[in-house]
Order: sequence, then C-alpha cells, then structure tokens
Amino acid sequence: GAGVSQSPSNKVTEKGKDVELRCDPISGHTALYWYRQRLGQGLEFLIYFQGNSAPDKSGLPSDRFSAERTGESVSTLTIQRTQQEDSAVYLCASSLLSGLGELFFGEGSRLTVL
Amino acid sequence: EDKVVQSPLSLVVHEGDTVTLNCSYEVTNFRSLLWYKQEKKAPTFLFMLTSSGIEKKSGRLSSILDKKELFSILNITATQTGDSAVYLCAVERGSSSDMRFGAGTRLTVKP
Repeated sequence: GAGVSQSPSNKVTEKGKDVELRCDPISGHTALYWYRQRLGQGLEFLIYFQGNSAPDKSGLPSDRFSAERTGESVSTLTIQRTQQEDSAVYLCASSLLSGLGELFFGEGSRLTVL
Repeated sequence: EDKVVQSPLSLVVHEGDTVTLNCSYEVTNFRSLLWYKQEKKAPTFLFMLTSSGIEKKSGRLSSILDKKELFSILNITATQTGDSAVYLCAVERGSSSDMRFGAGTRLTVKP
C-alpha cells in the first residue's frame, strides 16, 4: 500500500478482554516497529521485527503483550486481559531495512480500556 | 540503561521567534539520531544525523549532532503557527537496529 495502515483506528474495550491490533507496513519494508504512546507522553518502544523474527522483545511491558509478523508483511499486537493502564495509542512504523533510519508511521490505534 | 532525554518538555513562543530544542542521549553502540515532528498522530521524519558537526538544513529547520558530548539540537527560525507540534528525538542503536524515542518537546507557536 501507499503507507502504513493500522486497524482499528479506535478500540474501546472492557477491562479483562483481549484485543488485537493490526499493522500493514509499506510493501517491501522488512523492518517493522511497535510503539506505545500514552497521552501527552513520548513513544515507548515495544517490539521490533526484522522480517518475521523479533530480535528485541525487551520493550513488551508484560507477558500479556505479544506480537507476531507473518509473510514479512502484516503484524498483529495482541494484548490479553487488558488493564486500564493499557489505554494508549499504539503506533506501528516500518522501514525499508533496519539501520536505514527513517521510519514511516501509521496513524495509530487508539485503545481505551474501561 | 539507554536514555534519550529531550528538553524542554514544552515551550510556548510567538510567531517569528527562534527556538532551540535539545536532545541528549546515552546509548550503547550509537548509530544515528533522528528528529520527527508529530502534529496529531503519525510522526513525520525531519532529519537523520550520523556525523558530528555537520548541519542538516531544511527551510527554517536545521539540526546538528555532537557525538562527543552526546547531544543534538533542532533549531527553528522565524517560527510559524504551523510549527506547533511535538518534536521527537530518536536514537538508533547499531546492535539491534531498534529506535528509542525521547519524551518529546511540545512546541506551541502563538500568533
């Protein structure tokens, strides 16, 4: 596609439910990143994929968070048993190759946990 | 622990003013430093800096990196209301190629 696409753009869920967020990177981009941005704060690194593998999962805040990527394309971020502190905008970004610097960001998925 | 620290956290100026935003970092295996502008949702790329002392310039914006003192500055001259945004600094590490962001500087330019 022309840009990084994320869905849903907005998700409201009840505490304890599972949610799945999707990211479609720019076609041909091998590197894919997930970040979390709480209101008024900076970007918190969650996980990074090079191809389908995740060399660095250190940013995932708890074992309720997981992510996968298939076909060197679509990635899903899954949050199990959501908590109110999970409320944030989840941003996905891709780049042609890791180490080439510029990231192209999607519009984000805003998650609200009631 | 790797750190990317931006200052100030917020800044309010009037149109025409010049501003300087700061980003200091402590990371292992530094590869590059990048600046992004975030107006509403998706951050957009401004500059990528890899070498010390070489200024990158785009219109009224410019940036420079000091790898000895481990910081970068982003200058905006003759500010306009359209410059109002959060400016994010990010550092890429060569060891893992991930990218770590600072908390951002929220710039508000008043007419």
